[in-house]
Amino acid sequence: QVQLMQSGAEVRKPGASVNISCKALGYMFTSYYVHWVRQAPGQGLQWMGMINPSGGSTDYAQQFQGRVTMTSDTSTSTVYMELRRLRSEDTAVYYCARGTDGYNFDYWGQGTLGTVSS
Amino acid sequence: DIQMTQSPSFVSSSIGDRVTITCQASQGFYNWLAWYQQKPGKAPKLLIYAASTLQSGVPSRFSGSGSGTEFTLTISSLQPEDVATYFCQQATIFPPTFGGGTKVEIK
Repeated sequence: QVQLMQSGAEVRKPGASVNISCKALGYMFTSYYVHWVRQAPGQGLQWMGMINPSGGSTDYAQQFQGRVTMTSDTSTSTVYMELRRLRSEDTAVYYCARGTDGYNFDYWGQGTLGTVSS
Repeated sequence: DIQMTQSPSFVSSSIGDRVTITCQASQGFYNWLAWYQQKPGKAPKLLIYAASTLQSGVPSRFSGSGSGTEFTLTISSLQPEDVATYFCQQATIFPPTFGGGTKVEIK
């Protein structure tokens, strides 16, 4: 069955970078975009960007431009999301999600807690 | 960006009650509106897409309607397992945006 398996929780200091992985299982990896959505503690959902694993093209939300990079590795069916110059407001659960029919997200990873603290 | 506004932000209803959640968009679009259910500590789950199409496996007590700028999610008979936060999301115009969420609890 379709699964998205994310890497484990991370703790970083302000100014550092974090790299979270998302491994796709159970479907043709290159046939679907993968999106990243984050959720700060007790808050709503914020879309960060997306990658087309077939070719690696990306689109990022304006507020993350210059700080985020999404990449894909077709040999391992894994997508990566790197967020740089971290600040305390970046503390959140980061989710990867499979995109279908526009921007519908039909399968989600389990989430990765990223904590930014000095 | 399209702003999505949900109301109410909190609902407390009895088992078997009908629950309706509204989502209003800052500008109109056709019907590419999705609803997600999120239980505490879990990832969101797609319930409805294209405003009214039930995702496979979702109970039929959930339904969606609307177009343009006004959309609704209805739970026809609230069940204990429906306790969750529900989010709407416009799924057609870049960038995709979410509503602030509606927390549903049992009275």
